[in-house]
Amino acid sequence: SQQGEEDPQALSIQEGENATMNCSYKTSINNLQWYRQNSGRGLVHLILIRSNEREKHSGRLRVTLDTSKKSSSLLITASRAADTASYFCATARALIYNQGGKLIFGQGTELSVKP
Amino acid sequence: DGGITQSPKYLFRKEGQNVTLSCEQNLNHDAMYWYRQDPGQGLRLIYYSQIVNDFQKGDIAEGYSVSREKKESFPLTVTSAQKNPTAFYLCASSLGSGLGFTSSYNEQFFGPGTRLTVL
Repeated sequence: SQQGEEDPQALSIQEGENATMNCSYKTSINNLQWYRQNSGRGLVHLILIRSNEREKHSGRLRVTLDTSKKSSSLLITASRAADTASYFCATARALIYNQGGKLIFGQGTELSVKP
Repeated sequence: DGGITQSPKYLFRKEGQNVTLSCEQNLNHDAMYWYRQDPGQGLRLIYYSQIVNDFQKGDIAEGYSVSREKKESFPLTVTSAQKNPTAFYLCASSLGSGLGFTSSYNEQFFGPGTRLTVL
């Protein structure tokens, strides 16, 4: 059962532009995480935002979380060709759902940054 | 050099065979996970273990089995009962919290993956 749904499924931009990806989820969460996957490789953790946080920054990454709308967004500023990858959101559900120990991944957004 | 490794990188299986995928970590993490990824899809959880000698089924455990005899190792066996095993398999680990059930509250570290193909 997939909790996170990402939008758009694919995004193509020019180098230097900003890229925004969105993630929606259904149940209360403890935290939401974003991961990056280069083609044929494992995932790499980018950023974790807790349910009591609204915004977090890491280098060129900015993540927002709106728990009232059950949504998050990942913004990559001044994108580079090397940012080309798939980006996944993953939610850690609140304990009341007895789902501790599991991350639920979305389907991912495929980002292509053209030089 | 700490990390998580998977082997082999590519694996071919004949119909009716069981195959075992290796996952090892030297990060001293309590929790380990196995995911399956199909083309253009997200990750689906097969099994996870929050402590040695204990593991739980994920969302798609049928046709798979695991063991967790050592903290560093979490091998996955794809049995002949798995009808459509061709996929990319990813292993991950994370810090536990000491309480076990909150290991998902930490980031996960992924291995490079094993691509399994059924001939």
